[in-house]
Amino acid sequence: DAGITQSPRYKITETGRQVTLMCHQTWSHSYMFWYRQDLGHGLRLIYYSAAADITDKGEVPDGYVVSRSKTENFPLTLESATRSQTSVYFCASSELTGADTQYFGPGTRLTVL
Amino acid sequence: AQTVTQSQPEMSVQEAETVTLSCTYDTSESNYYLFWYKQPPSRQMILVIRQEAYKQQNATENRFSVNFQKAAKSFSLKISDSQLGDTAMYFCALVPRRDDKIIFGKGTRLHILP
Repeated sequence: DAGITQSPRYKITETGRQVTLMCHQTWSHSYMFWYRQDLGHGLRLIYYSAAADITDKGEVPDGYVVSRSKTENFPLTLESATRSQTSVYFCASSELTGADTQYFGPGTRLTVL
Repeated sequence: AQTVTQSQPEMSVQEAETVTLSCTYDTSESNYYLFWYKQPPSRQMILVIRQEAYKQQNATENRFSVNFQKAAKSFSLKISDSQLGDTAMYFCALVPRRDDKIIFGKGTRLHILP
């Protein structure tokens, strides 16, 4: 299907485990983003990528790792999950720049016990 | 530091009324973009409206329009003839072109009442 997808949609894990959230877009957009959404904080940028093999930190990068070997995929890894990383995670993409309209995935609700 | 402030955490209006959501921002950049995004109960974020800072004309999109006051650093969203489907969380956002990193406000939860 065309668009931007995230998997899994829901995930429960335990403290200390590694978790990878997947993001896939079919538009060949240059930019991709990862956000977390928490009550009282709105959306906060974790990492973004301007193109394959180019990534940069956002506002809250600690505890997260990203990679982008292919334009269409932008996985987010929590190397050792903590309870403070319980959140809803959104992936987004934009065509050419970060100032273009961003298209969001449906989100992944992650619970760390 | 660049910030986006939405001073109204929650609002309720009757269907068919007009409602205005407030947003103020702070940036030292001269080249930037402003956005309003909507997040309905389905959680899917979608663009409502986009404004380029160098354009004087206020952006409009059907029933949605903005009042962009650059000197005051204000970017309010007006929804005319509100509908039940407008019930959502609305986020104001700023993208300075220097680094293209988006900054979101904390959101305004809007309830349209039948």
